Amino acid sequence: EDQVTQSPEALRLQEGESSSLNCSYTVSGLRGLFWYRQDPGKGPEFLFTLYSAGEEKEKERLKATLTKKESFLHITAPKPEDSATYLCAVLLSGSARQLTFGSGTQLTVLP
Amino acid sequence: DGGITQSPKYLFRKEGQNVTLSCEQNLNHDAMYWYRQDPGQGLRLIYYSQIVNDFQKGDIAEGYSVSREKKESFPLTVTSAQKNPTAFYLCASREQGAGTDTQYFGPGTRLTVL
Repeated sequence: EDQVTQSPEALRLQEGESSSLNCSYTVSGLRGLFWYRQDPGKGPEFLFTLYSAGEEKEKERLKATLTKKESFLHITAPKPEDSATYLCAVLLSGSARQLTFGSGTQLTVLP
Repeated sequence: DGGITQSPKYLFRKEGQNVTLSCEQNLNHDAMYWYRQDPGQGLRLIYYSQIVNDFQKGDIAEGYSVSREKKESFPLTVTSAQKNPTAFYLCASREQGAGTDTQYFGPGTRLTVL
């Protein structure tokens, strides 16, 4: 069964304290892995797509990496405005092209 | 502005009532999706449509119905058969092209059963 697991469920950081969020997956036929940011009561905001192992993408204080079994979202020197829930999703091969989501990591950055 | 709009933002339903959630996009995307989000759980797919006049059931389609008469619109009806409809509902559309395959989300509708 295809599975996407995110850890930790919740993470509290002090402003400036760098850390990483993990997304591990057991799927067959990965076409892409996606990271989204979701603020309370809002729709997910697209951050990154990674298509192959070894790929890395960066945006401001965020950097996403991909291996054959997992992805990391590294947050460097976070600020309080980085507080949100970060969602990981995988796109599987096949005609349906559905996204399978993890349950998210709730990040809180304290000033 | 290009984007995805959902309405209403908040919706209250009485027991036994059908309600319809609106989703509109002006991104010219062919594929559209409906997801349900419950606290502590990942998004779960309800229905999707890859082209006008065609749609497919997702993982949790029971108690829901959809239509896709126009490319821009993909309304979701929550019927009285849905036993636990209180949730946050998200609509998405998909951009496909050379080197890209990404779903973008609307702002969501929060449905509460009274």
